Amino acid sequence: SQTIHQWPATLVQPVGSPLSLECTVEGTSNPNLYWYRQAAGRGLQLLFYSVGIGQISSEVPQNLSASRPQDRQFILSSKKLLLSDSGFYLCAWSVRRGYGYTFGSGTRLTVV
Amino acid sequence: GESVGLHLPTLSVQEGDNSIINCAYSNSASDYFIWYKQESGKGPQFIIDIRSNMDKRQGQRVTVLLNKTVKHLSLQIAATQPGDSAVYFCAENQGGSEKLVFGKGTKLTVNP
Repeated sequence: SQTIHQWPATLVQPVGSPLSLECTVEGTSNPNLYWYRQAAGRGLQLLFYSVGIGQISSEVPQNLSASRPQDRQFILSSKKLLLSDSGFYLCAWSVRRGYGYTFGSGTRLTVV
Repeated sequence: GESVGLHLPTLSVQEGDNSIINCAYSNSASDYFIWYKQESGKGPQFIIDIRSNMDKRQGQRVTVLLNKTVKHLSLQIAATQPGDSAVYFCAENQGGSEKLVFGKGTKLTVNP
């Protein structure tokens, strides 16, 4: 069966520090991968998605970047965090379009 | 469209009642729709999906109805239980897109 792993679960980082969040999927090949951010009590904002290794589509211009160095690995990064980067970050995967996403358990990021 | 900046609408029901959560979708070319449940501090979980060639689909205690004429989707939960308290999101897969577009979410509170 397929599983998605996302870590860490919580993270407190100072303003100006770098960020690296990792997401891996097991039990499938060539998944579509997604990074979402969710502010407290708000909806889901798509940040990046990838349909293959090295292919990244950015949805919102911002202080973040994403990379997909391996088929089942998706990384969200920042060189210098801002206070506004605080939020709940969710990774998700899908087989392809027309199928639902499976979400990871999320990372609660607080920038102080 | 995406729901990033909106506060969530709320629905409060008594335990044992039926709940109906509504969603208006944006694109007449969308051909796949999903409902997700998100409990506090967790990633969204798949509840039920429906394709555009159907107008109704039933699961365990849940029913999704699709009205393509008015671009409306609803989730019905029978005999609502306290464990159903969560935020519910609808999502649509717009034709040709690799992405799901999420609705603004509805917070369901079940009173004992």
